Amino acid sequence: AQTVTQSQPEMSVQEAETVTLSCTYDTSESDYYLFWYKQPPSRQMILVIRQEAYKQQNATENRFSVNFQKAAKSFSLKISDSQLGDAAMYFCAYRANAGGTSYGKLTFGQGTILTVHP
Amino acid sequence: DAGVTQSPTHLIKTRGQQVTLRCSPKSGHDTVSWYQQALGQGPQFIFQYYEEEERQRGNFPDRFSGHQFPNYSSELNVNALLLGDSALYLCASSLWRTRGQPQHFGDGTRLSIL
Repeated sequence: AQTVTQSQPEMSVQEAETVTLSCTYDTSESDYYLFWYKQPPSRQMILVIRQEAYKQQNATENRFSVNFQKAAKSFSLKISDSQLGDAAMYFCAYRANAGGTSYGKLTFGQGTILTVHP
Repeated sequence: DAGVTQSPTHLIKTRGQQVTLRCSPKSGHDTVSWYQQALGQGPQFIFQYYEEEERQRGNFPDRFSGHQFPNYSSELNVNALLLGDSALYLCASSLWRTRGQPQHFGDGTRLSIL
């Protein structure tokens, strides 16, 4: 079974600074996607960034980037130039691609609460 | 472009009752997944529907059941409610087996059991 672990229950950062959230996962499959979702107090789960396991290049989306280490099964999220609006719960998630045994199902980590100080 | 909509927003029930939660997928999506999120925890997969059939199921008892309608909307039913069923229930929609397609989430239904 796939598992996703976020070892940092809480993180904090000063506005305009950079913060990195950690995530490790375990799977025996080779074809999968990894995601970072953001959940503000409004509750809606918002996709931040995604990474396909077959792509060696790390994904970037504006101020958000990932450090994907496939051999180490590590998938960290870096937020640059942090803004007050980045404050939220962040979840790392795993999903197998077509043909995988867990296709369609997202497996989430426990989440990291990010606080941004002005 | 309408996103995923869920109703109701908040629901209060007592132990032993049953409840039905509803979800309309994002326009163009045909697959609906349901998740249970306990307070302070990550969402847990309940099940997924496509073509009106349950395609995958997580580790949830038979008290949790679902349905998908021809218009792709879906319902989650929970019978014999327990205190432990108190949680945020999230619905997510996507396109069936489309590589890289992310799931889009609704705002959730907060279910409180007294």
